[in-house]
Amino acid sequence: DAEITQSPRHKITETGRQVTLACHQTWNHNNMFWYRQDLGHGLRLIHYSYGVHDTNKGEVSDGYSVSRSNTEDLPLTLESAASSQTSVYFCASRPNLEDTQYFGPGTRLTVL
Amino acid sequence: AQSVTQLGSHVSVSEGALVLLRCNYSSSVPPYLFWYVQYPNQGLQLLLKYTSAATLVKGINGFEAEFKKSETSFHLTKPSAHMSDAAEYFCAVSSNDYKLSFGAGTTVTVRA
Repeated sequence: DAEITQSPRHKITETGRQVTLACHQTWNHNNMFWYRQDLGHGLRLIHYSYGVHDTNKGEVSDGYSVSRSNTEDLPLTLESAASSQTSVYFCASRPNLEDTQYFGPGTRLTVL
Repeated sequence: AQSVTQLGSHVSVSEGALVLLRCNYSSSVPPYLFWYVQYPNQGLQLLLKYTSAATLVKGINGFEAEFKKSETSFHLTKPSAHMSDAAEYFCAVSSNDYKLSFGAGTTVTVRA
């Protein structure tokens, strides 16, 4: 079955380190998204992509970057991790406007 | 720009009672609206969606929602709560850019 996966599922890192979270989908969706989930804020959009080599900033993009070299993957990089980036991160993809976004299982990141 | 307001961060209901979760949205264009459910330590699962067809939308697990344009609302209901309905619920709105804007979420607890 087609799916969307994230790795690692849990990550502990130290302040200042670079961290990359992987997102892989097998649906061949052009539209992919990264969100962070924090208590009281719901999900907030970090970055998104409408296709290969396309990337766009969301509402909380500072300190994060993404790249899209193929349709299946949208890795999220924290250039220099900060304690404020401790969160649960969700990747999603969406085939068209009439359909929903499909979410991965999430990555719990702790920055010490 | 679009946004979502969920009224009430916590709702407590008795088993068998009506569940009502409120969602109001703002959007400059006809919206696409979604309700998601999140169980502890899991990802988001789609409950139902409104994409300009019928205004009363039925979803999984006995949930339904009614789109009311005049009130800019998309409230979620279930006639009879079950213990398994205990979870966090998110309302989300999308316009023509494929992105989702989420409300802050409502946590539902079900009393035996």
